[in-house]
Amino acid sequence: GQQVMQIPQYQHVQEGEDFTTYCNSSTTLSNIQWYKQRPGGHPVFLIQLVKSGEVKKQKRLTFQFGEAKKNSSLHITATQTTDVGTYFCAVYGGATNKLIFGTGTLLAVQP
Amino acid sequence: DGGITQSPKYLFRKEGQNVTLSCEQNLNHDAMYWYRQDPGQGLRLIYYSQIVNDFQKGDIAEGYSVSREKKESFPLTVTSAQKNPTAFYLCASNKGTTFSGSYEQYFGPGTRLTVT
Repeated sequence: GQQVMQIPQYQHVQEGEDFTTYCNSSTTLSNIQWYKQRPGGHPVFLIQLVKSGEVKKQKRLTFQFGEAKKNSSLHITATQTTDVGTYFCAVYGGATNKLIFGTGTLLAVQP
Repeated sequence: DGGITQSPKYLFRKEGQNVTLSCEQNLNHDAMYWYRQDPGQGLRLIYYSQIVNDFQKGDIAEGYSVSREKKESFPLTVTSAQKNPTAFYLCASNKGTTFSGSYEQYFGPGTRLTVT
């Protein structure tokens, strides 16, 4: 079945440093979604990307969809302690009508 | 307020007992999903339902059962056949699929099940 690889698995940064997580697929994607899960909480939808090369920004967060629609990235500028959590990408499973979640990247921010 | 509710937040059971986790949504969503999350792990799909009275197995359905008799409700039963049931269970819903993929999913707060 379709698989989505997410790297890194874990990242520890000092507050104010930048952070990037990557999501890679072996097949072309119709779209990609990003979610954030705070420690002890539940995933919360952040954004969806649909177009090749698309770039969307939410304050300090920048989301990018690759030109070939096989990869995506989430970049956080000047991290804050409120950014702590696990970031998941999710892709549409096509005929199975389900979302396939990546393995997630756990971000730790040291004040 | 619209949203998804899961109850209880924490649940403790003895090995060999079946247990049913509740999931209710008032978002008028057609599709509902159950995921399992183990510590430090991602989300694994257990069962999902695109419409009332219909559901499909996910990637790890063995030892679990579901029903979808009402649009608002999608309870999950963890049976005694599930070998390692202790985990964090998350319910989600969405409007279904779009022309280019899937609508975003809304998650409930989750139920932490401990079986000893």
